[in-house]
Amino acid sequence: QSVLTQPPSVSGAPGQRVTISCTGSSSNIGAGYDVHWYQQLPGTAPKLLIYGNSNRPSGVPDRFSGSKSGTSASLAITGLQAEDEADYYCQSYDSSLSGHNYVFGTGTKVTVL
Amino acid sequence: QLQLQESGPGLVKPSETLSLTCTVSGGSISSSSYYWGWIRQPPGKGLEWIGSIYYSGSTYYNPSLKSRVTISVDTSKNQFSLKLSSVTAADTAVYYCARRQAPFDPWGQGTLVTVSS
Repeated sequence: QSVLTQPPSVSGAPGQRVTISCTGSSSNIGAGYDVHWYQQLPGTAPKLLIYGNSNRPSGVPDRFSGSKSGTSASLAITGLQAEDEADYYCQSYDSSLSGHNYVFGTGTKVTVL
Repeated sequence: QLQLQESGPGLVKPSETLSLTCTVSGGSISSSSYYWGWIRQPPGKGLEWIGSIYYSGSTYYNPSLKSRVTISVDTSKNQFSLKLSSVTAADTAVYYCARRQAPFDPWGQGTLVTVSS
């Protein structure tokens, strides 16, 4: 049911760079609504990783970066570390005819090889 | 440091009403800058926004759940609550409460609610 599509999984060796895409449409990302990213470590609640497309909350390493273009957004992790192994979700707002709707991506599992 | 904590029954029978409360500590739920929301995650699946409420009582609900959801706020207790009626096994999930300004942050630790007879 998610209107934001992410790859199910990405993987990389320690130190490598990986990217996660988040593809939406003209009623959400393409309409100019901000994209936020969350990291969910196993067995824990999601934690805000990137807000407002490209901003990092205090305490989030600068290895994490976000960008947005058109109807898509991306999360990049550079210098991949074992502790980055987690599920990642994008989130935005959708303004379809049915009303207010805060939407999440389908989620991406990052595996550190 | 703002903290949120979900509480409520972990087991609900089919067709009954799920009721959860989120207690906010370390800050006031009456802050004019924030909404407060509920999000759920079925086991092994992704996140779904349920709805949000402002301290004044103004609410927004996910259109797909709107007919079954009621979110309310009790500013005297610094709490907000979720009621989901006519539950089925598909409503089995970890339910999270969170503060919302633009992103959802922070989140409570979540509580698993199982719908089963």
